[in-house]
Amino acid sequence: GENVEQHPSTLSVQEGDSAVIKCTYSDSASNYFPWYKQELGKRPQLIIDIRSNVGEKKDQRIAVTLNKTAKHFSLHITETQPEDSAVYFCAALNNAGNMLTFGGGTRLMVKP
Amino acid sequence: DVKVTQSSRYLVKRTGEKVFLECVQDMDHENMFWYRQDPGLGLRLIYFSYDVKMKEKGDIPEGYSVSREKKERFSLILESASTNQTSMYLCASSLRGSYGYTFGSGTRLTVV
Repeated sequence: GENVEQHPSTLSVQEGDSAVIKCTYSDSASNYFPWYKQELGKRPQLIIDIRSNVGEKKDQRIAVTLNKTAKHFSLHITETQPEDSAVYFCAALNNAGNMLTFGGGTRLMVKP
Repeated sequence: DVKVTQSSRYLVKRTGEKVFLECVQDMDHENMFWYRQDPGLGLRLIYFSYDVKMKEKGDIPEGYSVSREKKERFSLILESASTNQTSMYLCASSLRGSYGYTFGSGTRLTVV
């Protein structure tokens, strides 16, 4: 089955700096890669996703890049703000197209 | 506009008790999932269901069972609770053919 690894497990940045979180996946048939943000005490919520026919996708300060050959994808947050502090999860869709496998999560701390 | 509801936010149970965690969604989703979230281990899939009365084991099904008698409700059952089942439990649902998950707010279970 699919295996997703996520790095780093914790990340501390200064407000205004950029943050990058990286994930690798094992199943070359995977074609959908979402990112979820979980604030303290709240449910995970989808913040951005990318499909395999696209190499990059942006939404304001957030971008995701995908390298299908290397089987890795990354989340980029620019001009970080304290409210970006949360746990971020990457995921990959299985080849049956019905189930997500999640990475281990990254705790991002943005220091004011 | 809560769409996936988990019946309890916090639960304390004794070792050996039978525990029911309930999840209800009002979006007519076919797919429902139970995850366990532990620090450093990310989201681990316990069981999932693609339709009423059907269930599939996830990565860590031992010590758990599930029930899906109605489309909107997916129950997680701990047959005999143990202290190593102390965790945050997250329910999620998705529409068949759609990739995005909607998560519930989670149930933090403590087994003493």
